[in-house]
Amino acid sequence: DGGITQSPKYLFRKEGQNVTLSCEQNLNHDAMYWYRQDPGQGLRLIYYSQIVNDFQKGDIAEGYSVSREKKESFPLTVTSAQKNPTAFYLCASSSIAGNHYNEQFFGPGTRLTVL
Amino acid sequence: AQSVTQLDSHVSVSEGTPVLLRCNYSSSYSPSLFWYVQHPNKGLQLLLKYTSAATLVKGINGFEAEFKKSETSFHLTKPSAHMSDAAEYFCVVSDPSGGYNKLIFGAGTRLAVHP
Repeated sequence: DGGITQSPKYLFRKEGQNVTLSCEQNLNHDAMYWYRQDPGQGLRLIYYSQIVNDFQKGDIAEGYSVSREKKESFPLTVTSAQKNPTAFYLCASSSIAGNHYNEQFFGPGTRLTVL
Repeated sequence: AQSVTQLDSHVSVSEGTPVLLRCNYSSSYSPSLFWYVQHPNKGLQLLLKYTSAATLVKGINGFEAEFKKSETSFHLTKPSAHMSDAAEYFCVVSDPSGGYNKLIFGAGTRLAVHP
């Protein structure tokens, strides 16, 4: 099946630890995105990548880092600098045709809880 | 700047009755608009999208939405609610001003369906 996978589904972290969330897609999409979702709010963009070895900050990048070494993979690291990391994290991807970006497809999410 | 306002944070209907989820947008461009659905602890699924073709857009699971430029609205409707429709719904507008497909999310409408 084609799609986006995220792991783990649930993640617990102690304060001061860095953790890495995995996102893999086999849709052959060029663009990938990371969002954060908090209760009662819509999604907010953390980072995005339009091509391998390139990525850009979104609206709330502070305390997060990413890499894009392969087209199908876009891992997100939540660092100890992120003051309030407890949230639901969603990865998405989309194809690009010329200057036109098609709709984004979402993974199942990772729920991160800081203990 | 692009923005999205979902006019109701919660909507409750009885099974078999019509559903109306309201969305107003603000856009400096000819917008692309989307409705996504999210079931608890799941990722987002695309219901339908408007990209300047027909103003009445049909989506999956019997949902449809009408783009009304004069009212800057993109309300989501379904003639007859089913129990499985209970979920959170997000109205989304795309913002191409940054050179990529940035999505602006509404805060969401939680739909409850009662027997």
